[in-house]
Amino acid sequence: AQSVTQPDIHITVSEGASLELRCNYSYGATPYLFWYVQSPGQGLQLLLKYFSGDTLVQGIKGFEAEFKRSQSSFNLRKPSVHWSDAAEYFCAVEGGSQGNLIFGKGTKLSVKP
Amino acid sequence: EAQVTQNPRYLITVTGKKLTVTCSQNMNHEYMSWYRQDPGLGLRQIYYSMNVEVTDKGDVPEGYKVSRKEKRNFPLILESPSPNQTSLYFCASSLGTDSYEQYFGPGTRLTVT
Repeated sequence: AQSVTQPDIHITVSEGASLELRCNYSYGATPYLFWYVQSPGQGLQLLLKYFSGDTLVQGIKGFEAEFKRSQSSFNLRKPSVHWSDAAEYFCAVEGGSQGNLIFGKGTKLSVKP
Repeated sequence: EAQVTQNPRYLITVTGKKLTVTCSQNMNHEYMSWYRQDPGLGLRQIYYSMNVEVTDKGDVPEGYKVSRKEKRNFPLILESPSPNQTSLYFCASSLGTDSYEQYFGPGTRLTVT
């Protein structure tokens, strides 16, 4: 069965520092992969997605993610974090015939001034 | 503006009192889904619908009902709510089951006492 692991529950970075959020998935083939962001009190907003092709995908708000099949990973990166990036980040993989997404448990990002 | 709307956004109710959370999308999406989000568990799918009059159980359907009489609406019904249904609920929609790129509503925070 598909699954997603986000090893870090909570990460704190300084404003202006680089960021990498880890995501590992379990899936039988090349999956569709997603990163969503949830700001406090808000719904989930799609940051970026990987379906096929170039393994480095660009998203909104300056985020990017790299698909590495050999490591079953899809880590999210940003070169310089802004205070407004403080939120919870969810990695997700396609769920199969249900059309759903299988989500990781999320990584909460705090940004120090 | 393309969006998924949910009402109410916040609801406090008592055990056993039937309630309905409405969900509507204006993107002509075929696929709609309900998730619940609980701390430490991420998002889990409750029910989904591939089209009008076609609904099916997700991963955690117990205690919930849904209907899809119109393409744009997908209400979630709790006929006899219990405290373990206290959660944050999200409605989502996508073009179809092959799309997986889901658009989320703002969420409904439900408390059952």
